[in-house]
Amino acid sequence: DTGVSQDPRHKITKRGQNVTFRCDPISEHNRLYWYRQTLGQGPEFLTYFQNEAQLEKSRLLSDRFSAERPKGSFSTLEIQRTEQGDSAMYLCASRAGAIGRPGELFFGEGSRLTVL
Amino acid sequence: SQQGEEDPQALSIQEGENATMNCSYKTSINNLQWYRQNSGRGLVHLILIRSNEREKHSGRLRVTLDTSKKSSSLLITASRAADTASYFCATHQETSGSRLTFGEGTQLTVNP
Repeated sequence: DTGVSQDPRHKITKRGQNVTFRCDPISEHNRLYWYRQTLGQGPEFLTYFQNEAQLEKSRLLSDRFSAERPKGSFSTLEIQRTEQGDSAMYLCASRAGAIGRPGELFFGEGSRLTVL
Repeated sequence: SQQGEEDPQALSIQEGENATMNCSYKTSINNLQWYRQNSGRGLVHLILIRSNEREKHSGRLRVTLDTSKKSSSLLITASRAADTASYFCATHQETSGSRLTFGEGTQLTVNP
């Protein structure tokens, strides 16, 4: 258990529905990341927060995706009007550290989304 | 886009043998990290090597980095069935801010 928790662990939804995932990072970590992973592939970067500021967004993050970290603690990732191609594991990770300093990421167990 | 390419994609060995996985990347990096992922679970950090380091050890793990060839290798010695997992290299690129870019992974199976 890394201390990063994600909820829900599994979500099955119908195409066109909205879904929201929550991530609670390790409490002293100010940096939070969202990644997406499909079967047999490595994680793909979606977005990154430092405290409450969203500093980086991947081009993978279409207009249907939105992420927030309102108080610099937990984060939510919402997908609107889900499509079958959104089916994947959504991974959250956190770390401490100053800009430019290397640091390991602590991952949660992921939220698996299945869009029917 | 994926930065790293792992080789081989899949590796099957017997318990007690050594396992070597390779990773190649394309752009200059600050550091390279290796992660492990058991099926259906999150990733767990194994080891980090900085761009000015050439070799690093941690228990049964040995990582090398050759920045001139833009490649790294992960060696697991005296493998155990519990080492069965996917292994990913991840690079922190000089121009990519704070993100880590992952490769596609090597699936290691250690047979008892």
